[in-house]
Amino acid sequence: DVKVTQSSRYLVKRTGEKVFLECVQDMDHENMFWYRQDPGLGLRLIYFSYDVKMKEKGDIPEGYSVSREKKERFSLILESASTNQTSMYLCALFNRDVFEAFFGQGTRLTVV
Amino acid sequence: AQSVTQLGSHVSVSEGALVLLRCNYSSSVPPYLFWYVQYPNQGLQLLLKYTSAATLVKGINGFEAEFKKSETSFHLTKPSAHMSDAAEYFCAVSSGNQFYFGTGTSLTVIP
Repeated sequence: DVKVTQSSRYLVKRTGEKVFLECVQDMDHENMFWYRQDPGLGLRLIYFSYDVKMKEKGDIPEGYSVSREKKERFSLILESASTNQTSMYLCALFNRDVFEAFFGQGTRLTVV
Repeated sequence: AQSVTQLGSHVSVSEGALVLLRCNYSSSVPPYLFWYVQYPNQGLQLLLKYTSAATLVKGINGFEAEFKKSETSFHLTKPSAHMSDAAEYFCAVSSGNQFYFGTGTSLTVIP
């Protein structure tokens, strides 16, 4: 089975901090995604990446950036954390072989 | 453009009763459709998917969904609810490499 691992389950950060959320896959899949999940809003796409060093903005990229230096790792960066970025963050990859998205366990970020 | 609408953000059923979660989609191309389930404080896991084969799709834990092109629907059903089915359910549509998710339906099962 494909495994997607997010480095932290829970994080508490202060306003203005630079925050890194890490996501690692154990296979060689090109397509990786970062979503945020908020009650009543479902999953909203922040950024996605088709390959190393490639990135595309999703629906809500403001206040975020990403990094993909190696295929297995896709990092989400909050340049200057704000309280409205308190949310659940989900990393996912797309497995073309079975046409399915696989998700990490999620990181619940609280910005105080 | 593609989108998904889930009717009903909260659904409550009695244990043993029919579960029906509604999903309508909009897609300019033949869609691939999915239902995912999320248990508290966990990521999403796949329940079932439609990829243009049989229109009635069977998934895990006794769930199934029927693709109806004329109604642009992909409703999720289960004949008899169990307490363990209490979770958040997401419908999704995909073409190419992107997924578009609905806003989710929270299912409560009443003993």
